[in-house]
Amino acid sequence: EAQVTQNPRYLITVTGKKLTVTCSQNMNHEYMSWYRQDPGLGLRQIYYSMNVEVTDKGDVPEGYKVSRKEKRNFPLILESPSPNQTSLYFCASSFSDWGYGYTFGSGTRLTVV
Amino acid sequence: AQSVAQPEDQVNVAEGNPLTVKCTYSVSGNPYLFWYVQYPNRGLQFLLKYITGDNLVKGSYGFEAEFNKSQTSFHLKKPSALVSDSALYFCAVRDKSNAGNNRKLIWGLGTSLAVNP
Repeated sequence: EAQVTQNPRYLITVTGKKLTVTCSQNMNHEYMSWYRQDPGLGLRQIYYSMNVEVTDKGDVPEGYKVSRKEKRNFPLILESPSPNQTSLYFCASSFSDWGYGYTFGSGTRLTVV
Repeated sequence: AQSVAQPEDQVNVAEGNPLTVKCTYSVSGNPYLFWYVQYPNRGLQFLLKYITGDNLVKGSYGFEAEFNKSQTSFHLKKPSALVSDSALYFCAVRDKSNAGNNRKLIWGLGTSLAVNP
C-alpha cells in the first residue's frame, strides 16, 4: 500500500530534550515536506525537500532541522524543543511540489512541557 | 501576494442536502487549485484539482468543484451530503509560474463541515 509513515503518533517530552520524528514514504516520491497544524493557523510549512540532499526552509523553520540522506526518509529534528513547538505535525510526499496528489502521514501530536 | 480564503469556519448541512464549501484565491498569474480533506485523527487526503480545461472538476467521494476565474473562486460541492462527509476541508492554490515564491503552495485555514443525520 502506498503510504507515508510517521512515528511516533503521540509524544510528550520535556523542554530541551532532543527528539526526532521520522517520516518514510514508499512511493519513490522526490518531493517531501513537513507541516505543523495549529488551531486558527491552519497548515504551515516547516521544511521541504525537492530530492536527496536538497532541503529548504518553509514558513516556520526556526527550531527545526531536517535531513534527506535517502529518497524515502525525511526526519524532522527538534534539537531543543520548547513549549511553543507543541503542535500536530504532518509529513507529506509527492512526485513534485505542484500541490497535486500530496500523500500525508497520519500525523504526530507533540506536547512539550 | 498570493492568498487563499475560506470564509466559513464551519458549515452545517443536513444529510441528503447539497453542500458547498467556499474558497476564494488570489495569485499573480494563473492558478492551480486543490481541495484536500482531513478526517478526524487522520492526515489530509487529496480530493480534486483544477489545472486547466473544464471549469467543473470531479474528484473523490462524489465531490466536485467549479473554477470561476472572474470571481476567483473554487467552491467545493456535493449534490447529496453524507454524515461520513463530516471533516475538515482545505483549499490550496499555487501559481502556475515556477518563478520564485510563485512555487509556493498556499493553504486556506480550513472549513469544518458537519453533516447532521
